[in-house]
Amino acid sequence: DAGVIQSPRHEVTEMGQEVTLRCKPISGHNSLFWYRQTMMRGLELLIYFNNNVPIDDSGMPEDRFSAKMPNASFSTLKIQPSEPRDSAVYFCASSLGLNTGELFFGEGSRLTVL
Amino acid sequence: KNQVEQSPQSLIILEGKNCTLQCNYTVSPFSNLRWYKQDTGRGPVSLTIMTFSENTKSNGRYTATLDADTKQSSLHITASQLSDSASYICVVTTQAAGNKLTFGGGTRVLVKP
Repeated sequence: DAGVIQSPRHEVTEMGQEVTLRCKPISGHNSLFWYRQTMMRGLELLIYFNNNVPIDDSGMPEDRFSAKMPNASFSTLKIQPSEPRDSAVYFCASSLGLNTGELFFGEGSRLTVL
Repeated sequence: KNQVEQSPQSLIILEGKNCTLQCNYTVSPFSNLRWYKQDTGRGPVSLTIMTFSENTKSNGRYTATLDADTKQSSLHITASQLSDSASYICVVTTQAAGNKLTFGGGTRVLVKP
């Protein structure tokens, strides 16, 4: 398996623009997580899905952020409108169920909002 | 409040030397503890996992210990190599609903030749 695949790897956009980050989890994994990482705050959980259903979105910073998982092999994280403080690395991770504790991370999407 | 604290925040060691990273947690109820290695520009990768009954777990030159009574864990790197330069993140899973993961802030290790 190729692992968790994220795109784009890098995104530079201007404030106010819409940003869409994409993730393909490992085949067979039924839990998917979106994290944000910054130097100041480390890794923060934004939202996670189990069997394509959002379980906990309490980490989503505000209404500008939304996430979807239309099927078991694809998820998106959207920011609209984007702001400079959204600049961070966004990681997608998947796992085989919620109980294993082992997350397999993608390589991340580095977002810069000017 | 569930918290995971790591120390030191960063350290520099010479190639070939050993080092130990610390992780203290207040997560309860405890399920398991993992150490992840994150290379610069990459996603974290799991090194070890320990459950309540395990005191030590090794993965090559990496050895993790767990003291569930004092809620402390350590990661020991033996005979460090340049490729060990990375951030090491301690992650504790709680048995609470959804098996929530709490991440430490990480320790950044730089191995110099």
